Amino acid sequence: NAGVTQTPKFRVLKTGQSMTLLCAQDMNHEYMYWYRQDPGMGLRLIHYSVGEGTTAKGEVPDGYNVSRLKKQNFLLGLESAAPSQTSVYFCASRMDLSYNEQFFGPGTRLTVL
Amino acid sequence: AQTVTQSQPEMSVQEAETVTLSCTYDTSESDYYLFWYKQPPSRQMILVIRQEAYKQQNATENRFSVNFQKAAKSFSLKISDSQLGDAAMYFCASRTGNQFYFGTGTSLTVIP
Repeated sequence: NAGVTQTPKFRVLKTGQSMTLLCAQDMNHEYMYWYRQDPGMGLRLIHYSVGEGTTAKGEVPDGYNVSRLKKQNFLLGLESAAPSQTSVYFCASRMDLSYNEQFFGPGTRLTVL
Repeated sequence: AQTVTQSQPEMSVQEAETVTLSCTYDTSESDYYLFWYKQPPSRQMILVIRQEAYKQQNATENRFSVNFQKAAKSFSLKISDSQLGDAAMYFCASRTGNQFYFGTGTSLTVIP
């Protein structure tokens, strides 16, 4: 049982490049989340999903897109990376509405030059 | 949107002593949940303790306890008998519906 995994762990992009971050969970959780963590800002919610095939915007969705084609995977895409998207990205999952605890992945450090 | 405020960017405590981390939140919802997360240098987010807003009794997990003051919208974390392994960033968070909101964190240093 690997829990929540994120791929890749580190990435450096040039401005304007695109990339996709993959989050995978093997706990059969319904809910999945993408956060970004910046110094002095805490974690901010980018997008989330309440089930396969669903997505919703969080607090800071601009510049990102997501997809949840399979229940176990939640993809975060950057179509045209900007230096302001340099951050540490965390994925998390939660069992369902009645369950409070989020399980976090190890994070992805993304640098946009 | 909810806001969660942690007014102490940094705190320090002597090993074996007690420290309290402060958190206030702002919500108009009646149904919400509160959390404290620990983030050590490894970056892994670890749930320390949680509190349901409808419960009056303060949550306790071993050396960690909370002081939940609903009317004041305050949710502080007390760490007793501090250990070197408690050194980390601590985040207060709230949940309403499907979304979680995090504070900016308090960096805790434990002095041997």
